[in-house]
Amino acid sequence: QVQLQESGPGLVKPSGTLSLTCAVSGDSISSNNWWTWVRQPPGKGLEWIGEIYHSGSTNYNPSLKSRVTISIDKSKDQFSLKLSSVTAADTAVYYCASQTHYGDFAYWGQGTLVTVSS
Amino acid sequence: QSALTQPRSVSESPGQSVTISCTGTSSDVGGYNYVSWYQQHPGKAPKLMIYDVSKRPSGVPDRFSGSKSGNTASLTISGLQAEDEADYYCCSYAGSYTLYVFGTGTKVTVL
Repeated sequence: QVQLQESGPGLVKPSGTLSLTCAVSGDSISSNNWWTWVRQPPGKGLEWIGEIYHSGSTNYNPSLKSRVTISIDKSKDQFSLKLSSVTAADTAVYYCASQTHYGDFAYWGQGTLVTVSS
Repeated sequence: QSALTQPRSVSESPGQSVTISCTGTSSDVGGYNYVSWYQQHPGKAPKLMIYDVSKRPSGVPDRFSGSKSGNTASLTISGLQAEDEADYYCCSYAGSYTLYVFGTGTKVTVL
């Protein structure tokens, strides 16, 4: 069973860059999964951010595409999220997840709250 | 791409059934058979309950069922139990540009 664990700073300054990492265990990061980031502002709904395949192929939410970079480190079995030029609107719980097939996000990390504030 | 539309809340007594709707467009829900549903308890990560409109992952009770008609997908919970009280989100594939869009979320209350 896949296990995912997010890590990274819980506080980021406005205009800065949010950086998170998701450690994968229980399955190879080179397996047939798309490794995904989803976020949820406090008290609000879920938003798909983007995904990466072990080949390095990526897909991003068009509304965030200009600010998002997702990368993968197969030697460490982890993938990462960078979101630049953050504002208070980027304050959210950030989840990493895995999917094998068109939106079946079967495994999720516990989530990590990132607050954008000076 | 706008979020899919779900009712804000639904409530019913234990043992009864509830149905949650998820309305999109022909570019997402209506265009693909790739609708999934997630259950989220407070402070917890979402849990996959239904995928590909009506398929249940291993371990999900058969009280949970999914369907779709046109641009609207539905999740039905039969024999409602106290532990079913949670937020529920739908998600749809929306093509190769947008990829995935989630619903606005529905709070299910067991009276």
